Amino acid sequence: EAGVVQSPRYKIIEKKQPVAFWCNPISGHNTLYWYLQNLGQGPELLIRYENEEAVDDSQLPKDRFSAERLKGVDSTLKIQPAELGDSAVYLCASSTGTGGVGELFFGEGSRLTVL
Amino acid sequence: RKEVEQDPGPFNVPEGATVAFNCTYSNSASQSFFWYRQDCRKEPKLLMSVYSSGNEDGRFTAQLNRASQYISLLIRDSKLSDSATYLCVVNRNGNRLAFGKGNQVVVIP
Repeated sequence: EAGVVQSPRYKIIEKKQPVAFWCNPISGHNTLYWYLQNLGQGPELLIRYENEEAVDDSQLPKDRFSAERLKGVDSTLKIQPAELGDSAVYLCASSTGTGGVGELFFGEGSRLTVL
Repeated sequence: RKEVEQDPGPFNVPEGATVAFNCTYSNSASQSFFWYRQDCRKEPKLLMSVYSSGNEDGRFTAQLNRASQYISLLIRDSKLSDSATYLCVVNRNGNRLAFGKGNQVVVIP
């Protein structure tokens, strides 16, 4: 069975440019997460979806970040405009748990460098 | 105070030795606890859940101390392949997970 798929794996952009990341979760996983991980830090939640509904987006910087999960499957995370401090790894994860926590399965991440 | 705190290390461990480290959490209402392993430049993967009674999986033992609000991970007979960062994860309620910054373990031949 395929795992969580993310693209692109690497992205280098100049500041003020837009960037988008795509995630395809494991088939049948209703819950999808976007995390941000800086070097030497643990993942920090940006947004969590239950099917197509964003149930926790309190940590998402809404002035420049947006996300969507149309049809409750694939998801896209966008940053516009990007800032130098946005350089990080953006991890997508999925799980079967709703209301409780099952194991999180992470994708390999999208590594963003903003110049 | 951060929700989950870990000493990042690194913990340099001779091959075959035992290493143990703790993770403290601030929210006494936290309900479930996990250890995830993250290899360098890779994604985190679940190592084990932590149960109230403690649990063991091969050379790995996890313990929970609710009174003092910490969980621990012990690795016996360390292998070179155990070199990784071990992330402590705490679930407050529902699906809100908080990750620590990790304990970096380096097993030395």
